[in-house]
Amino acid sequence: GENVEQHPSTLSVQEGDSAVIKCTYSDSASNYFPWYKQELGKRPQLIIDIRSNVGEKKDQRIAVTLNKTAKHFSLHITETQPEDSAVYFCAAYSGAGSYQLTFGKGTKLSVIP
Amino acid sequence: NAGVTQTPKFQVLKTGQSMTLQCAQDMNHNSMYWYRQDPGMGLRLIYYSASEGTTDKGEVPNGYNVSRLNKREFSLRLESAAPSQTSVYFCASRPGQGSYEQYFGPGTRLTVT
Repeated sequence: GENVEQHPSTLSVQEGDSAVIKCTYSDSASNYFPWYKQELGKRPQLIIDIRSNVGEKKDQRIAVTLNKTAKHFSLHITETQPEDSAVYFCAAYSGAGSYQLTFGKGTKLSVIP
Repeated sequence: NAGVTQTPKFQVLKTGQSMTLQCAQDMNHNSMYWYRQDPGMGLRLIYYSASEGTTDKGEVPNGYNVSRLNKREFSLRLESAAPSQTSVYFCASRPGQGSYEQYFGPGTRLTVT
């Protein structure tokens, strides 16, 4: 099955700096890669996703890049704000009709004012 | 439109007791999922239902059973609870038909003593 590795597990940045979280996956058939944000005590919420036919996607201060050859994808947050503090999870769907989403173990991002 | 709802929000069980966690969605989604979330472990798939009438094991199915009661409802049963099943349980649903995003419920915090 799919295996998703995520790092770092914790990340502290100064407000206004950029944050980068990286994930690798094992199944070359994986075709969809979402990122979820989870605030303390809340449910995971999708913040951005990318499909395997696209190399980069941007939504305001958030961007995701995908390198299919190397089987890794990254989340970039620019101009970080205190409200970006949360746990971020990457995930991957395998292709060929798989219904299973495999998650990384999460990155706790702290933005220091 | 309530989205994905879960009951109860909190539950404390004694070892050996049984209980059923309820999940319902009102978005006419085809696929539904049960995850558990433990500190430092991310979200791990317990069981899923790709469509009404089907269920399949995920990564950590031991000690659990599920029922896809109808298109709206997907329940998770613990027959004989163990302390190792102390966790936060999330239900999620997905439209299917080429749409990959999963929508999460608010979670159930279960403690087994």
